[in-house]
Amino acid sequence: DAKTTQPTSMDCAEGRAANLPCNHSTISGNEYVYWYRQIHSQGPQYIIHGLKNNETNEMASLIITEDRKSSTLILPHATLRDTAVYYCIVKGRGSQGNLIFGKGTKLSVKP
Amino acid sequence: DTAVSQTPKYLVTQMGNDKSIKCEQNLGHDTMYWYKQDSKKFLKIMFSYNNKELIINETVPNRFSPKSPDKAHLNLHINSLELGDSAVYFCASSPLMGSDTEAFFGQGTRLTVV
Repeated sequence: DAKTTQPTSMDCAEGRAANLPCNHSTISGNEYVYWYRQIHSQGPQYIIHGLKNNETNEMASLIITEDRKSSTLILPHATLRDTAVYYCIVKGRGSQGNLIFGKGTKLSVKP
Repeated sequence: DTAVSQTPKYLVTQMGNDKSIKCEQNLGHDTMYWYKQDSKKFLKIMFSYNNKELIINETVPNRFSPKSPDKAHLNLHINSLELGDSAVYFCASSPLMGSDTEAFFGQGTRLTVV
């Protein structure tokens, strides 16, 4: 079972920041927080991941709370092409290090 | 160049048939996976292979048999297809199982059993 809880759906206006929350209160010390998204009819796409510190790349920023029990994915300037299902995944290492997908958040970016 | 490619993209077949889905990755990764996404859109891992060795088999019926002829290929054979096998199947790869790295997914194979 997925170890994360996300809202089922969210809306965002085009050009505005999209902030997607994720709760992972049972995360253990060596588990990472990963974010993937799935645009309709395509394979999942990696976005970003982190352990403790906040992370930023060309796609998004990841803010992880100090207690690591929750995180927020930020798309700074959402476009219509960012409409997708966003998955927050807690992943460990070794043989248990598989991606376990939950239900995700359906983000709809509207003009 | 496509990093993880699957063939065919669409597959329609009758119940009871045997079919295969092929997957190839040109990323030099050690680990490959098969995922199934059902009609409710849940993505579930089926198998993972590390350097051609089966690592994970997530209670998948033995009608499903993965085969890895080499590190770059992981094919999925399905025998005696059933209606419930209809789904989208995704292949994926990552550099090393359990490492702090991302996985790359193929575009999926939509299997319809009639």
